[in-house]
Amino acid sequence: KNEVEQSPQNLTAQEGEFITINCSYSVGISALHWLQQHPGGGIVSLFMLSSGKKKHGRLIATINIQEKHSSLHITASHPRDSAVYICAVRSHQAGTALIFGKGTTLSVSS
Amino acid sequence: GAGVSQSPRYKVAKRGQDVALRCDPISGHVSLFWYQQALGQGPEFLTYFQNEAQLDKSGLPSDRFFAERPEGSVSTLKIQRTQQEDSAVYLCASSLGGGRSTDTQYFGPGTRLTVL
Repeated sequence: KNEVEQSPQNLTAQEGEFITINCSYSVGISALHWLQQHPGGGIVSLFMLSSGKKKHGRLIATINIQEKHSSLHITASHPRDSAVYICAVRSHQAGTALIFGKGTTLSVSS
Repeated sequence: GAGVSQSPRYKVAKRGQDVALRCDPISGHVSLFWYQQALGQGPEFLTYFQNEAQLDKSGLPSDRFFAERPEGSVSTLKIQRTQQEDSAVYLCASSLGGGRSTDTQYFGPGTRLTVL
């Protein structure tokens, strides 16, 4: 079993829809990251969380440490949001390395 | 200044060839990470440098993989006697501090290696 699991694996939406991507992990962590990867490989860090909730523009990330679960929400989705969204954790055991989920491929059509 | 840069962006190698992949981190960043991302998968950790010291190389898949950062800035990942299973995107990331959990990692665009 992977230490970081994301769902769904693939997601399609119409422009304007509210999007939720889920991440569950099985290890003790010091931080959780949400990353965005566009075709061609470039990865951009969206959020880093250790507790609670963060908001940036139309993006909201939440984490529940007790339940070992995080969600990334996109409000009023737009075709430019189409990308792969990756959850990654910094575990106590892994030290400095990030452990990544396999990613959720989001496609938003107009 | 500029973000993390990697070169080459694309590399095609024949099986058995040696390759060298370069990473230029953000100036002043102490930490540098290499990750391997197979097609359709999330990245997987290869190795970590704090300045010139390679503090963690537990993710390197075999002794054909070697990384260095001799002056604590530019890093090179070398793969000897490449095999088809080495085909992947190799990502480099850097962060300001020395491995603290609160540091954001900034990723380069990656080098896509294809071994024929």
